[in-house]
Amino acid sequence: SQKIEQNSEALNIQEGKTATLTCNYTNYSPAYLQWYRQDPGRGPVFLLLIRENEKEKRKERLKVTFDTTLKQSLFHITASQPADSATYLCALDQETGGFKTIFGAGTRLFVKA
Amino acid sequence: GAGVSQSPSNKVTEKGKDVELRCDPISGHTALYWYRQSLGQGLEFLIYFQGNSAPDKSGLPSDRFSAERTGGSVSTLTIQRTQQEDSAVYLCASSLGAESRAFFGQGTRLTVV
Repeated sequence: SQKIEQNSEALNIQEGKTATLTCNYTNYSPAYLQWYRQDPGRGPVFLLLIRENEKEKRKERLKVTFDTTLKQSLFHITASQPADSATYLCALDQETGGFKTIFGAGTRLFVKA
Repeated sequence: GAGVSQSPSNKVTEKGKDVELRCDPISGHTALYWYRQSLGQGLEFLIYFQGNSAPDKSGLPSDRFSAERTGGSVSTLTIQRTQQEDSAVYLCASSLGAESRAFFGQGTRLTVV
């Protein structure tokens, strides 16, 4: 069956460290993958998109990697800050008569000052 | 409008009643999604509209759930004979289509009592 797996356990890190979140998928052939941030009581907000032919993408303190052989994406936040505390969702887009976006369950990140 | 708008923001209904949730997507966005999110859980895909194509209804949990999108713009999600397990936040998102970020509304919190 198709699965998108993100670590259900919360990630706790110290301010200034790099946070690394993992997204693994099975039985998908995504054309691209996205990462979103969700704060409590709010809808998800887009962060980054990476295509299947791209290995890495960066935006300010964020870095995403995409390994289609391992079927895995890693999401890094460098020099983390307490304001980065949120839930981070991985999403896959696979062409099935149009690009349907399917989300993982998300990983909660806590950054301590 | 400037963003995706959902109404109502909160809805309390009695078990067995029908409810209609509304989504106004960003003007010009051809893709529209409905997701459901239970407390502390990830986003569960419900239905996807893309342009004039037949909608992808593969995520609707039962035949009590239906959705339509009129004129390629506003969408309504209808839940008939509501059950307590339908209680969740219902999120709508729209995008320009392939390789485009999704913009989410603030959600409708549905409580079935």
